Amino acid sequence: KNQVEQSPQSLIILEGKNCTLQCNYTVSPFSNLRWYKQDTGRGPVSLTIMTFSENTKSNGRYTATLDADTKQSSLHITASQLSDSASYICVVSSFPSGTYKYIFGTGTRLKVLA
Amino acid sequence: DTGVSQDPRHKITKRGQNVTFRCDPISEHNRLYWYRQTLGQGPEFLTYFQNEAQLEKSRLLSDRFSAERPKGSFSTLEIQRTEQGDSAMYLCASSLLGGERETQYFGPGTRLLVL
Repeated sequence: KNQVEQSPQSLIILEGKNCTLQCNYTVSPFSNLRWYKQDTGRGPVSLTIMTFSENTKSNGRYTATLDADTKQSSLHITASQLSDSASYICVVSSFPSGTYKYIFGTGTRLKVLA
Repeated sequence: DTGVSQDPRHKITKRGQNVTFRCDPISEHNRLYWYRQTLGQGPEFLTYFQNEAQLEKSRLLSDRFSAERPKGSFSTLEIQRTEQGDSAMYLCASSLLGGERETQYFGPGTRLLVL
């Protein structure tokens, strides 16, 4: 069964600290993996996208890694800011029979405190 | 602002009423998706269109749900005889068919509350 699992479910850190969010997936065939940031009451916004051959991708203070062998990804946030408080969703896409499927994780809720 | 708009942003309705939501995708995008998201969960796929053709529907999309994209541009999602379990955020996303880097752009969502 295609699944995307994220951990932790929620996380509280102090402003300025770093944190790492995890994503494990069992999706086949694999096409790419995205991390989205979703502010409360808003739609998700794409942070990074990685294909099978890419193992790291940065977007400002956000760095995503991908290990396609172990089917794991992480999102590292450096020097966190209050505005980083949001849900972070890992999405794996699959391309069976010519139709894209997007499998969403349940997200990690991050709270950054002053 | 991703360029995808949804209307209304909020809807409160009584059980048994019909509701209709609209999504305007990024103009050149040929794929359009509808998702439902409940509190603390990730978005759940409902259906998607490529141009005006509805190519896939989730088992979540009961007979009370119908979606259209008549001219391959905007889309509507209608829920008939709403139930309290329909209360959720309904998200629309669009993308341009483009291989392994195809990226979905999400709208702000329509939050539905069924009383």
